[in-house]
Amino acid sequence: KQEVTQIPAALSVPEGENLVLNCSFTDSAIYNLQWFRQDPGKGLTSLLLIQSSQREQTSGRLNASLDKSSGRSTLYIAASQPGDSATYLCAVNSGSARQLTFGSGTQLTVLP
Amino acid sequence: GAVVSQHPSWVICKSGTSVKIECRSLDFQATTMFWYRQFPKQSLMLMATSNEGSKATYEQGVEKDKFLINHASLTLSTLTVTSAHPEDSSFYICSVALGGRGYTFGSGTRLTVV
Repeated sequence: KQEVTQIPAALSVPEGENLVLNCSFTDSAIYNLQWFRQDPGKGLTSLLLIQSSQREQTSGRLNASLDKSSGRSTLYIAASQPGDSATYLCAVNSGSARQLTFGSGTQLTVLP
Repeated sequence: GAVVSQHPSWVICKSGTSVKIECRSLDFQATTMFWYRQFPKQSLMLMATSNEGSKATYEQGVEKDKFLINHASLTLSTLTVTSAHPEDSSFYICSVALGGRGYTFGSGTRLTVV
């Protein structure tokens, strides 16, 4: 059974800092991995999707990497802004049913 | 990208009543939709997989008679919480699989049972 862990659970940084969020998964036989953002009381917004054959994906100030063999992914946020404050969720697509397994999330606060 | 519309965004109901939540795929024919539940400060837990034209597949521990799922068309799946109780209060979110392009999610429904 796939298990996804995200560390840290919470992170508070001053505006302008670069930061890294970590995601690890137990079963490396994945189809893809997706990073989402969730604002309080809202649904999920997809940030980046990395296919199992890819090493990284970039979108603006966001860069996500994938090391399938070690079961790890990182989300790098450059020049953080207060508007980046949210919960970031990592989800792994794996298994015969191609289900998404979510980590517990990292709650990010960027202080102005 | 594909857009998923979920309605209502919030609902308050009395204990013992039933509540229906709709999930619409606006620009993508979704043969498969997923229903998740999220408790405060926790991550998403898959409740069931909704298959167009067939019965939903429920995760272990999820009562199929409690959470009725109907996926009658390629653009609409509904989740009905029957005889709701306060412990059913939660945030319910639907999702659409986009083939190899990942998943997109609805905006969620906050259910409060009083």
